[in-house]
Amino acid sequence: ELKVEQNPLFLSMQEGKNYTIYCNYSTTSDRLYWYRQDPGKSLESLFVLLSNGAVKQEGRLMASLDTKARLSTLHITAAVHDLSATYFCAVAPYNNNDMRFGAGTRLTVKP
Amino acid sequence: DSGVTQTPKHLITATGQRVTLRCSPRSGDLSVYWYQQSLDQGLQFLIQYYNGEERAKGNILERFSAQQFPDLHSELNLSSLELGDSALYFCASSPTDRHYGYTFGSGTRLTVV
Repeated sequence: ELKVEQNPLFLSMQEGKNYTIYCNYSTTSDRLYWYRQDPGKSLESLFVLLSNGAVKQEGRLMASLDTKARLSTLHITAAVHDLSATYFCAVAPYNNNDMRFGAGTRLTVKP
Repeated sequence: DSGVTQTPKHLITATGQRVTLRCSPRSGDLSVYWYQQSLDQGLQFLIQYYNGEERAKGNILERFSAQQFPDLHSELNLSSLELGDSALYFCASSPTDRHYGYTFGSGTRLTVV
């Protein structure tokens, strides 16, 4: 069974600092997603990573994928308060649409 | 507005009752996915329909069922409700059966009292 583990689950950062969220998964996959969720809101797609070594960047967020290590990272550069949210990674195994989500990382950026 | 419409936004009902949640996918999308988000279980995939046919099944209870209609909207039926069914239910849609992009709706918050 596919398992997806995120860490840390809670992250409190100062504005201007850098940090990385990690996402490990247990079986081979051809798709890895990062989503953002604000409290009480829906999930907003941030990145879709499809191949080993894929790196995508949007603003202060950069996501990467290492399929051999079954690891994805979401790196936050020079955090700002607007980035405060819960971030989820999600993995879909080969030949299966049963997408599994990590537990989420609740990020709080403090001034 | 993501283009995926879910109704109602909020629903409060009693234990033992039955409710129906509705989802209209983004225009042109043929696949609909249902997810449950609760504090103890996190985000869980329930079921997927593609062009009216069931394509994938996740951790969906036997008390729950879903269908996708010819106009591509989908309904999730929850019966014999229990307190533990209280959660946020999301619908997502994508253009094809196995796609690289999903669009989520704003969710239906179900409270069972």
